[in-house]
This record gives sequence, C-alpha cells and structure tokens, in this order.
Amino acid sequence: KQEVTQIPAALSVPEGENLVLNCSFTDSAIYNLQWFRQDPGKGLTSLLLIQSSQREQTSGRLNASLDKSSGRSTLYIAASQPGDSATYLCAAPYNQGGKLIFGQGTELSVKP
Amino acid sequence: DAGVIQSPRHEVTEMGQEVTLRCKPISGHDYLFWYRQTMMRGLELLIYFNNNVPIDDSGMPEDRFSAKMPNASFSTLKIQPSEPRDSAVYFCASRPGQGNEQYFGPGTRLTVT
Repeated sequence: KQEVTQIPAALSVPEGENLVLNCSFTDSAIYNLQWFRQDPGKGLTSLLLIQSSQREQTSGRLNASLDKSSGRSTLYIAASQPGDSATYLCAAPYNQGGKLIFGQGTELSVKP
Repeated sequence: DAGVIQSPRHEVTEMGQEVTLRCKPISGHDYLFWYRQTMMRGLELLIYFNNNVPIDDSGMPEDRFSAKMPNASFSTLKIQPSEPRDSAVYFCASRPGQGNEQYFGPGTRLTVT
C-alpha cells in the first residue's frame, strides 16, 4: 500500500532564500510523482510531474527530483518570493490508472 | 480550454438533504477522479472513471455516496442523505488517456449543518 509523507508540515523563510520541500513514499514501484500547489480556499495547480524513468524536472525556479531507491522526492524552490506562499503537496499514483495518494502537504510562508 | 469545471462552488445544506455536485472534465480526457479534502484526512480519492466506466470506488465512504458519469463531458457525485461529517471540499480532476498529469477543478466547498 502506497503511503506518502511530507516533512515539514509548515515552513517559514525570508524572501530570497532557497528552500527544499521533502516528500517520501513507501512503494518504490511508482509510475510517477506529481507536485501540486494549493492556495488557501483554492484548487490544486500542478507544478511538476516526474516520470519514474526520470530523475528530475525543472520549471522556472522550481526543480523536482526523484530517487526511487530511497523513496524520496524533493521540490527545490530558488530565490523564494512572497507569492510562493502556499501549501505544496506531493502525490504518487497507487496504480497505473492514476489513483493518487497525497501527502499531507507543507505549508510554506515566505516573509518579505 | 476552460479547465475542469465544477459546480456549485459552495453548497450549504441541512442534514438529511440530498446534495449533487457536478463536474465537467477537460475535453478529450479519458479519466475523471473525485477527491475529498478535509483537515483531518487530507486529500482522499473517492472514485475514478475511465471512459465513463467506474474503475475504483473503494474510497466511497458509504452507500450514501454515489457517482455517475453518463457521458464523457459530465459527472455527478451525489450524497443522500447528507450528514455534517460530509462537510469538506470536493475536487474533481481529469487526465488524458496518454499521460499521467491530473488537472484539478476549483472544488466545491460543502457545508452540512
């Protein structure tokens, strides 16, 4: 059974700092791993999806890595901005059909 | 594309009433998912469809919950009768048949009093 864990639950950093969000999963036979952003009271926005054959994906200031052997993924945010403040969730599919198992999320606050 | 569309955005109802949530997936997407988000349990999958056929409904909490997908562009999630513990945000998501990325709708915030 796939279980996804995110640490820390909350993180506060000053503007401009580089930061790393962590995600761990129990079943290394994952098909892919997806990172989402959720703003308060809003839906989920997909940030990055890493296929199982990939080790990382980049989009602008975001870089996500995947290490299947250790059961870990990280989301690196460079030069953080107050607009990055949100909850970040990682999710791994339970099966090839795509049933996603979500972590509890990391609530990020970037202080100006 | 307008993205995944959900209605209503907010629903307040009294215990015992029937509630129907609606979703229009992105055109051309073969998979549709219904999720529920609460503070206590986070995001959980309730049910998902492939080509309008329910594939996995193991997350549906009780018989009070039912979901249908009569065609490729419309799905409903019905709760009858509703209970206060059903209060949550319900998300609909879709993804193409080829590809893994899921796209979420804005959600329906349900409050049952």
